[in-house]
Amino acid sequence: ETGVTQTPRHLVMGMTNKKSLKCEQHLGHNAMYWYKQSAKKPLELMFVYSLEERVENNSVPSRFSPECPNSSHLFLHLHTLQPEDSALYLCASSQGYSGNTPYEQYFGPGTRLTVT
Amino acid sequence: AQSVTQLDSHVSVSEGTPVLLRCNYSSSYSPSLFWYVQHPNKGLQLLLKYTSAATLVKGINGFEAEFKKSETSFHLTKPSAHMSDAAEYFCVVTQNTGNQFYFGTGTSLTVIP
Repeated sequence: ETGVTQTPRHLVMGMTNKKSLKCEQHLGHNAMYWYKQSAKKPLELMFVYSLEERVENNSVPSRFSPECPNSSHLFLHLHTLQPEDSALYLCASSQGYSGNTPYEQYFGPGTRLTVT
Repeated sequence: AQSVTQLDSHVSVSEGTPVLLRCNYSSSYSPSLFWYVQHPNKGLQLLLKYTSAATLVKGINGFEAEFKKSETSFHLTKPSAHMSDAAEYFCVVTQNTGNQFYFGTGTSLTVIP
């Protein structure tokens, strides 16, 4: 599990704060993902970066802003969040594809975010 | 369109008895399928994957799954449950293009001593 690390592991923030989540992968992968995991809901894909370019943005509110400065690092910048944004935020990476076959994703431990 | 249905939100088994976690999928294309496990306060760990090779897939920790195209199913099994198997299990489908992975809602496995 040390292949993908996330910091911080826990974060409590007020609705007017600005904070950032950090993800780092040590696996040499070329795609990185942000997911939101809320209780009783499927994992929600938020953003996908492939070769440092954003390729998917699943209608995520603008109060979430991703940044991928290189293939090993991924950030999620947070501002003016709402209490319903409280969740576990998971980062994942993958190698992309071999021909038409996708490689599996490797997940970090997540950041437990609480918005007060 | 891709989707995954995990038919049981909770499964409870006794230690040493078989485990069956059910997953049905829908896919417009030849799918790739995965099972992940999530222990409390941990990220998701890959158990096994199916990518159009052998239909019976063996994974880690004694788990295996069988891809049945006629039934659009990819059920996860283990012959004998161990206490350490207690966790949340997710079935995932993706098509062979794009970057979308579709997750089921998860099955919580309880193992009774």
